[in-house]
Amino acid sequence: QLQLQESGPGLVKPSETLSLTCTVSGGSIRSSSYYWGWIRQPPGKGLEWIGSVYYSGSTNYNPSLKSRVTISVDTSKSQFSLKLSSVTTADTAVYYCARLGHCSGGSCLDYWGQGTLVTVSS
Amino acid sequence: DIQMTQSPSSLSASVGDRVTITCRASQSISRYLNWYQQKPGKAPNLLIYAASNLQSAVPSRFSGSGSETDFTLTISSLQPQDFATYYCQQSYNSPWTFGQGTKVEIK
Repeated sequence: QLQLQESGPGLVKPSETLSLTCTVSGGSIRSSSYYWGWIRQPPGKGLEWIGSVYYSGSTNYNPSLKSRVTISVDTSKSQFSLKLSSVTTADTAVYYCARLGHCSGGSCLDYWGQGTLVTVSS
Repeated sequence: DIQMTQSPSSLSASVGDRVTITCRASQSISRYLNWYQQKPGKAPNLLIYAASNLQSAVPSRFSGSGSETDFTLTISSLQPQDFATYYCQQSYNSPWTFGQGTKVEIK
């Protein structure tokens, strides 16, 4: 059974860089079939797609965050990572990692991590 | 970006009720529409993909329909474990976007 687990600091100061890692187990991150993504959810609000990465390192970012986001992959550790720079209180959210599965010609988020709350505060 | 609008934003229903949630896209997305269920403190869970395909292990009381811009999620007979928030999401164009959510509460 595929499992994803987010890890990283739960508190980040304004203007600093948020860094999270997602560890994939029970399956291969090197599969040519899947992308791996990050999604966030501010407290009490809806979901926002941040971006995704392929095992080769190819990325796709939400334009609203593109200037501040870097997503990378380390296949040797079966991990992919998120960096979000120059954070403000508006970046306070639960951050989820997920697998982008193939779903009848489209894509869907078929496996999710449990999520990790990151609070931006001084 | 493609805007996804769900209605209603919340609803109250009783166990056994038939519940319908709609999702409208700001442009045609063919059938590239997914539905997720989220319970408090938990990650979303994929229910329906490509508008009408039931994800593995999801109960058959859930169904989806629609195409182009208008989509529907139906719960045929609401069960206690179905009280949650439901989100639609399009995968037609990047950036992927979600609806604002529909909270299903106990009447």
